[in-house]
Parts: sequence; C-alpha cells; structure tokens
Amino acid sequence: AQSVSQHNHHVILSEAASLELGCNYSYGGTVNLFWYVQYPGQHLQLLLKYFSGDPLVKGIKGFEAEFIKSKFSFNLRKPSVQWSDTAEYFCAVNPMYSGGGADGLTFGKGTHLIIQP
Amino acid sequence: DAMVIQNPRYQVTQFGKPVTLSCSQTLNHNVMYWYQQKSSQAPKLLFHYYDKDFNNEADTPDNFQSRRPNTSFCFLDIRSPGLGDAAMYLCATRERSVGRSYNEQFFGPGTRLTVL
Repeated sequence: AQSVSQHNHHVILSEAASLELGCNYSYGGTVNLFWYVQYPGQHLQLLLKYFSGDPLVKGIKGFEAEFIKSKFSFNLRKPSVQWSDTAEYFCAVNPMYSGGGADGLTFGKGTHLIIQP
Repeated sequence: DAMVIQNPRYQVTQFGKPVTLSCSQTLNHNVMYWYQQKSSQAPKLLFHYYDKDFNNEADTPDNFQSRRPNTSFCFLDIRSPGLGDAAMYLCATRERSVGRSYNEQFFGPGTRLTVL
C-alpha cells in the first residue's frame, strides 16, 4: 500500500520568510498529487494539484509545488509567508492503478505551520 | 453556496451505544467518502460510494457501516463505539472523471466524536 511522509510536523516562521514543506510518497507507479490546507476551525481546502505535464504547479494564495519523480517528492513552497498562512497542511496521493484511477486519497500526517507576525 | 455539510459538528456517545453521523452535499457529486482522522494522524479512508456502489477499504473494521439513500446524503453508522473510535470523521465528495484526470475532493467540516 502507498504511504505519504511529511517530514516536518511543526514549523514556526516569521512573516516574509520563505517556506518549504517536504512530502514524499512510496508508490512506484503513476500518481496524482495534492496539497490541502486546513485553516483554524475550517474544512480541508485544495491548495494545488498535479496530474501530469509541467512538474512545477501553482496554486492559490501564492503557493507552488514541484513534483520530482526520481525523488518521489512533491514539496510545497511559498517565497514569502503571511500571518494568514497559519494552518495545517496535508500532502495527499491518489495512485493511478491500471485500468483507471482508484478512489480515495492517502494523506500524510500534516504539518502545523505557525506564522509569527 | 454549494457545499458539504456534516451534522452534528460534535457528537458524544457512550461506549457501546450505536451512533450515526450524517453528511449531505449540494454539489450533486457521484462519489462520497468517509475518512477517520485521529489526533495528530493523517485522515484515513474508511469507505466510499460511487453512486450506489459501496466500496469498503480492506482494513475498515466491521463496526463501521455506511448508507447512501440518495445522491445528497450519506451516513456513517458505528454499531458499537469503543474508546479507540474517538476521532474526527470527515465526509468528502467528488465528481468522478473519465480518463486520466482526478477531480478534487471537497470536504465537510467534520464531526468530532467523543466516546465516554
């Protein structure tokens, strides 16, 4: 079964600092990749996704992620964080099994990001 | 706004007392999911419905059941809750796509279940 690892469980940054959150997955085949964000008291929302094509994908609120197939990684980045980026960030994978996409996402444990003003 | 709604947001039950969590959607999506998220852990898929077709994950305990009476509603039934079932339960929906793409899942706010 596939698994997703997020290396940083808690990250504290100051405003305007650059952000990179690591995500690695274990599935060897073709995958769909996602980053979801959960702001305090709110539901999970999609930040960005990768299916194919350009490995550098851009999402909402200035976030981007790079898919590196050889490293099984899909790291999330933002050049300058804001206090409002304080949230829980989840990396998720959906493997493309032969014959079509499987349903459901496999999530990492999440990274709790705190931005200090 | 179209959305995924979960009721109640907080549910307290007693050990062994059956409990039902509900999810409704106004998105008219054909797939509905239930995830379990324990404290400091990743959301874990329990099962999903594609239309009326039920798909159980291999490691989902028999204690967990689900019903989808129509497109809009899906229920999670826990027949005999144990202390280890205390968690956040997330409902999500998705419109299944044809071919390579995978449409995003839309999540509800979750129901936090406490077992006394």
